[in-house]
Amino acid sequence: AQSVTQPDIHITVSEGASLELRCNYSYGATPYLFWYVQSPGQGLQLLLKYFSGDTLVQGIKGFEAEFKRSQSSFNLRKPSVHWSDAAEYFCAVGPFSNDYKLSFGAGTTVTVRA
Amino acid sequence: KAGVTQTPRYLIKTRGQQVTLSCSPISGHRSVSWYQQTPGQGLQFLFEYFSETQRNKGNFPGRFSGRQFSNSRSEMNVSTLELGDSALYLCASKTSGANNEQFFGPGTRLTVL
Repeated sequence: AQSVTQPDIHITVSEGASLELRCNYSYGATPYLFWYVQSPGQGLQLLLKYFSGDTLVQGIKGFEAEFKRSQSSFNLRKPSVHWSDAAEYFCAVGPFSNDYKLSFGAGTTVTVRA
Repeated sequence: KAGVTQTPRYLIKTRGQQVTLSCSPISGHRSVSWYQQTPGQGLQFLFEYFSETQRNKGNFPGRFSGRQFSNSRSEMNVSTLELGDSALYLCASKTSGANNEQFFGPGTRLTVL
């Protein structure tokens, strides 16, 4: 079965500094990978997705992610963080044609300090 | 295009009651999925419907059920509520095809007292 691990529960970063959130997945083949962001009291918004092709994926709000098959990773990055980036970030894998579901990591909460 | 809408946004119920949550997908989307989000368990898949058929169900007790109507709107029902059912329930819709993006609604916050 597929699974997703986000090793960092909480990250604090200064405004203007760079941010990297880690995501590792477990799946037998190349999965569909996603990063979602959730602001307090809100639903999930898709930041970016990877299906195939170029392993560096650009998303919204200045985020990018790199798929590394050898490391089973799909880390999310942003060069310069804004205070509005404070939120919870979820990495997800799927949905697959045989189960139609997304499997999410536990999430990483990002705090931005002035 | 309007996004995924969920009603109500907030609910307070007591143990033993039952509750029905509603989800209206984006126009043209025939797949609707439900997820439960809690601080302890994170985001967990409940079920997915496509063209009124449940195609997959997560590992939840039979108290959790759902259905989808011909207009793709979906409802989920939880009977005999327990304190542990307090959660944010998220609905997501997508077009057909396994790799298409799921669009999430704002969720329904259910509190069981």
